[in-house]
Amino acid sequence: NAGVTQTPKFQVLKTGQSMTLQCAQDMNHNSMYWYRQDPGMGLRLIYYSASEGTTDKGEVPNGYNVSRLNKREFSLRLESAAPSQTSVYFCASRITGSSSYEQYFGPGTRLTVT
Amino acid sequence: QKEVEQNSGPLSVPEGAIASLNCTYSDRGSQSFFWYRQYSGKSPELIMFIYSNGDKEDGRFTAQLNKASQYVSLLIRDSQPSDSATYLCAVGGSASKIIFGSGTRLSIRP
Repeated sequence: NAGVTQTPKFQVLKTGQSMTLQCAQDMNHNSMYWYRQDPGMGLRLIYYSASEGTTDKGEVPNGYNVSRLNKREFSLRLESAAPSQTSVYFCASRITGSSSYEQYFGPGTRLTVT
Repeated sequence: QKEVEQNSGPLSVPEGAIASLNCTYSDRGSQSFFWYRQYSGKSPELIMFIYSNGDKEDGRFTAQLNKASQYVSLLIRDSQPSDSATYLCAVGGSASKIIFGSGTRLSIRP
């Protein structure tokens, strides 16, 4: 069981470039999430997917798009990167159906936009 | 106003004392409440969850929930240097959405 995996681990982009962050989980979880964490800050929800085929905006969705490719995979795309998107990005997954189920987090992707 | 509020700290507590961390939330429909610990450069890891009013204890950790006051807290007894970390409060509603607070930095001094 790999849990939640994220690729890449590190990435440097120039302003205006695009990229896709990949996330996959092998725990058969229904819900998946993308968060960003800026230095000294908590996690801010970008987008989430309650189940395969659905996606919803979180707190800070502007500048991002997501795709729930199947039950296992949830990708985050930056169409035109900006320095304000420099952050650590965490993907998480969770079973739905019970309010007590915790989120499991991936190791994070450190993104720098110059 | 943020949906989930925490004091950013740092909170400095002597070793062996009780550390008290607080969190307030704005959505009265919130149903689930989580405390995560995050060491620098690492992913968050779950310490406690609670979903009914009252106290829940697990070892040195106690989570307290007061839905009427929209307040959740975490007590750490017999604080150890290894407890030094950032503690994140997270709140979930009826849908799958889970929102985090900005975190409280806790420092345990020997």
